[in-house]
Amino acid sequence: KNQVEQSPQSLIILEGKNCTLQCNYTVSPFSNLRWYKQDTGRGPVSLTIMTFSENTKSNGRYTATLDADTKQSSLHITASQLSDSASYICVVRGERDDKIIFGKGTRLHILP
Amino acid sequence: DGGITQSPKYLFRKEGQNVTLSCEQNLNHDAMYWYRQDPGQGLRLIYYSQIVNDFQKGDIAEGYSVSREKKESFPLTVTSAQKNPTAFYLCASSITGDHEQFFGPGTRLTVL
Repeated sequence: KNQVEQSPQSLIILEGKNCTLQCNYTVSPFSNLRWYKQDTGRGPVSLTIMTFSENTKSNGRYTATLDADTKQSSLHITASQLSDSASYICVVRGERDDKIIFGKGTRLHILP
Repeated sequence: DGGITQSPKYLFRKEGQNVTLSCEQNLNHDAMYWYRQDPGQGLRLIYYSQIVNDFQKGDIAEGYSVSREKKESFPLTVTSAQKNPTAFYLCASSITGDHEQFFGPGTRLTVL
């Protein structure tokens, strides 16, 4: 069964610190992997998209990495800000059936 | 929220009543989607439409119905047959089924 697992489930860090969120998937073959940010009570917004051939992609203070061999992705947030408090969702699209599978997300809390 | 609107933001209904959630987009996207989000769960696909006058069931379509009479509109009706309707409902659209999905702000439905 195709799955997307995210860890940790929740994370609390101090403002200014860095953090890394993990995403492991079993979808194979896969077409692309996205990281979304979802503020409380809002819709998700795409941060990055990575295809099979890409290892890293940055969007400001957000850097996503992908290891297609181990089927792992990470989202690194540098110099966290209070506005980074949100849920971060990993989403994988399968190549064969074009199905999109959402992870359960990591809830990140940034403390002042 | 990228040109996708959902209304209302909060909705309360009595058990046994049908209720319709609105989703409109002005992005000229062909594909539209409805998801349900519950605490601690990944987004689950209810229905999707690749083109006007056509739609398909997602993973959890039971108790829901949709229509796609206009390209810009994809209303979702939550019927009394849906056993646990209280949830956060997200609408999304994309240029086609292969492209990035843009999400609306969501509607939180509470059935009393």
